Amino acid sequence: EADIYQTPRYLVIGTGKKITLECSQTMGHDKMYWYQQDPGMELHLIHYSYGVNSTEKGDLSSESTVSRIRTEHFPLTLESARPSHTSQYLCASSEGQGATEAFFGQGTRLTVV
Amino acid sequence: GEDVEQSLFLSVREGDSSVINCTYTDSSSTYLYWYKQEPGAGLQLLTYIFSNMDMKQDQRLTVLLNKKDKHLSLRIADTQTGDSAIYFCAESWGTGFQKLVFGTGTRLLVSP
Repeated sequence: EADIYQTPRYLVIGTGKKITLECSQTMGHDKMYWYQQDPGMELHLIHYSYGVNSTEKGDLSSESTVSRIRTEHFPLTLESARPSHTSQYLCASSEGQGATEAFFGQGTRLTVV
Repeated sequence: GEDVEQSLFLSVREGDSSVINCTYTDSSSTYLYWYKQEPGAGLQLLTYIFSNMDMKQDQRLTVLLNKKDKHLSLRIADTQTGDSAIYFCAESWGTGFQKLVFGTGTRLLVSP
């Protein structure tokens, strides 16, 4: 079973609020990822990290930001939430060289009202 | 560019075989995957196939890859109600970095 955790599982928040979605993994994986899943099911990569102090933007442009100060922790922040940010956010991690699998957290379902 | 397409829905009866199809456009991908997502959950890797293979079998699951047509399929034998979920195909390039491009997802409904 994958040891990657996301909190909160569900979040309903008002427009303009600052929020941070937490993601932690205990597998010692260097690489971590954030995917955004539309209500219509499609998943898109929005951020990734090769390791500590490394962050890159993914294929889908996002107003969110990420940080990677510790190997096990990869939080995602929205400075000012908007209804268009309503989505499910999935965090994942993978090992270094030779990895053929990404391990996913259970996701955070964010609703901005 | 990268584009991965799947049909949106599939409905089968318990005990039948299910075949979920996926087409992709980037032939340089290294690995192709099938992930399963149950309601309210994250994604679970079901199986993957290296791009130089044609077929992979893993218990009830059979993956077929047709590189010429850029077509990937997942066959589930003896489908059970517990197989009801959304199935995503995905592709990646190289090893060690799991930047995945996902398909649109197929919702499989298995009726008793």
